[in-house]
Amino acid sequence: GENVEQHPSTLSVQEGDSAVIKCTYSDSASNYFPWYKQELGKGPQLIIDIRSNVGEKKDQRIAVTLNKTAKHFSLHITETQPEDSAVYFCAATYKERGSTLGRLYFGRGTQLTVWP
Amino acid sequence: DSGVTQTPKHLITATGQRVTLRCSPRSGDLSVYWYQQSLDQGLQFLIQYYNGEERAKGNILERFSAQQFPDLHSELNLSSLELGDSALYFCASSAQGAGGSVDSNEQFFGPGTRLTVL
Repeated sequence: GENVEQHPSTLSVQEGDSAVIKCTYSDSASNYFPWYKQELGKGPQLIIDIRSNVGEKKDQRIAVTLNKTAKHFSLHITETQPEDSAVYFCAATYKERGSTLGRLYFGRGTQLTVWP
Repeated sequence: DSGVTQTPKHLITATGQRVTLRCSPRSGDLSVYWYQQSLDQGLQFLIQYYNGEERAKGNILERFSAQQFPDLHSELNLSSLELGDSALYFCASSAQGAGGSVDSNEQFFGPGTRLTVL
């Protein structure tokens, strides 16, 4: 099965700085890569995702990049704010067109702390 | 709010007991996934149902079982509970089905059930 590794496990930044979280995956067939944010006491919240036919995707202050050759993808958060503090998870899966299968393989998470 | 609901929010029970966790997916979503989150294992996929049928199994113990009902809500049954079963249990639903394309990938998670086995 797929193996997703995520680094770093903890990340502290000053408010206004950028944060980058990196993930690698093992299965070259994986074609869908979502990122989730989990706040204390809540379930994971989908914040951005990317498919393998795209190299980069942006949504306001967050962006994700994908390097299929190297099998790694990254989450970039710019102009960080204290409310960005949370645990972030990357995930990967192979989703075949027309299939109803799509289990996610998760990284171990990154605890991001943004200091005011 | 993801639109996925889970009950109960907290569950405290003793070893050897049996519990049932309930999940209601987002309106129109036919797929329900169950995940377990623990400190040592992280987020692990347990099982998936699609429109009432089991579609995939992950690292689910034989003591655990699940089902999806005609109204699409799902239940995860955990029996002969052990201390190591203490964890957060999440369900997620996916826009695969009548409300969206079967090729939709996004999974939306519920708030989870925290199970404590004493």
